[in-house]
Amino acid sequence: EAQVTQNPRYLITVTGKKLTVTCSQNMNHEYMSWYRQDPGLGLRQIYYSMNVEVTDKGDVPEGYKVSRKEKRNFPLILESPSPNQTSLYFCATLYPRGTGAYEQYFGPGTRLTVT
Amino acid sequence: AQSVTQLDSHVSVSEGTPVLLRCNYSSSYSPSLFWYVQHPNKGLQLLLKYTSAATLVKGINGFEAEFKKSETSFHLTKPSAHMSDAAEYFCVVSEGNSGNTPLVFGKGTRLSVIA
Repeated sequence: EAQVTQNPRYLITVTGKKLTVTCSQNMNHEYMSWYRQDPGLGLRQIYYSMNVEVTDKGDVPEGYKVSRKEKRNFPLILESPSPNQTSLYFCATLYPRGTGAYEQYFGPGTRLTVT
Repeated sequence: AQSVTQLDSHVSVSEGTPVLLRCNYSSSYSPSLFWYVQHPNKGLQLLLKYTSAATLVKGINGFEAEFKKSETSFHLTKPSAHMSDAAEYFCVVSEGNSGNTPLVFGKGTRLSVIA
């Protein structure tokens, strides 16, 4: 079964304590992405990766890091979380269909609260 | 550059009455368009997608959407609302040649269904 998994699903932490949210996919997709979802703002892209060792900033990259050492994993790292990073985070993979369209697969989401 | 505008942040309907969630898009290329639904405390679920085939697209749970190029619209409709339709809905545009952001999300429309 095609799947994108995220861990943890829920996390409450304190300001400044480094954390990592993992994302793993079993579809061998090259493109992966992280989004954050905030009320009234929809989903905004944080970082994306076109392939192993290739990452780039999305629309809201400040305060986040990512790595892509292997195709299946794309962890999101918050070196020093702050309360404004309290949000719902989604990992996604994209697969180009060759007609300009993409198949998208989303993880279940990680709800992060930073106090 | 591509963009998507969901014209209503909140729509309220009575159970059994029609649903209309409006979405307008902007794209330099032939876009692919999607509607996602997110129920409270749940992840994103794909409702339907348009990828340059039939302009009237049928999705899950009785939803459908019509791609109107002349109006740059992709409104989501359902003939009769059910209580279980209460959720947040996102219109998404995908432009295969857009470079670093293949997906652009609207800000969402919250659908309330009144008994």
